[in-house]
Amino acid sequence: GDSVTQMEGPVTLSEEAFLTINCTYTATGYPSLFWYVQYPGEGLQLLLKATKADDKGSNKGFEATYRKETTSFHLEKGSVQVSDSAVYFCALTLYGQNFVFGPGTRLSVLP
Amino acid sequence: DAGVTQSPTHLIKTRGQQVTLRCSPKSGHDTVSWYQQALGQGPQFIFQYYEEEERQRGNFPDRFSGHQFPNYSSELNVNALLLGDSALYLCASSLGDVGTEAFFGQGTRLTVV
Repeated sequence: GDSVTQMEGPVTLSEEAFLTINCTYTATGYPSLFWYVQYPGEGLQLLLKATKADDKGSNKGFEATYRKETTSFHLEKGSVQVSDSAVYFCALTLYGQNFVFGPGTRLSVLP
Repeated sequence: DAGVTQSPTHLIKTRGQQVTLRCSPKSGHDTVSWYQQALGQGPQFIFQYYEEEERQRGNFPDRFSGHQFPNYSSELNVNALLLGDSALYLCASSLGDVGTEAFFGQGTRLTVV
């Protein structure tokens, strides 16, 4: 079936460090790809998305590019802040149906 | 706009009991999906309601059932609770397919003891 794999956390970085969280997917069709963020005690917030190959989603300094050839959607940020500490989920949908989420990657940013 | 609201925020139930969770979708949204998020894991799809009908269902037993009302709000019912049902239950609303844009509620934390 369809699935999403993410790098295992936790990831601990110092403030202003470069962030990469790897995400790869397996899908029977041509999915849309998403990154969601979950802050402590809260639900999920959409961070960015891409709907076709080579699309780049971006928001709040975060970026991810839809790479069909490598079935990947890696999340990057050039300079993380303490406020970016959260759990990040990579997800896909096929034909607009339900989300398939990865297991999540916990990020801790130290001042 | 209040966004997606879920109630209650926290709930403690005893094994074998039944529970009902509630979700009000974002204004203008007609589709409600429910997800179970166990501690330390990603959300797992339970089912989706559209036009008061269950449109899709994930790999969950029949103990999990739902309903959507004419005002698009929704309920998730779980019967014969097991310890393993302890999780954060998330509701997501969208206008039609979730691929457009889906909004999640804060979730209901269910603890089964």
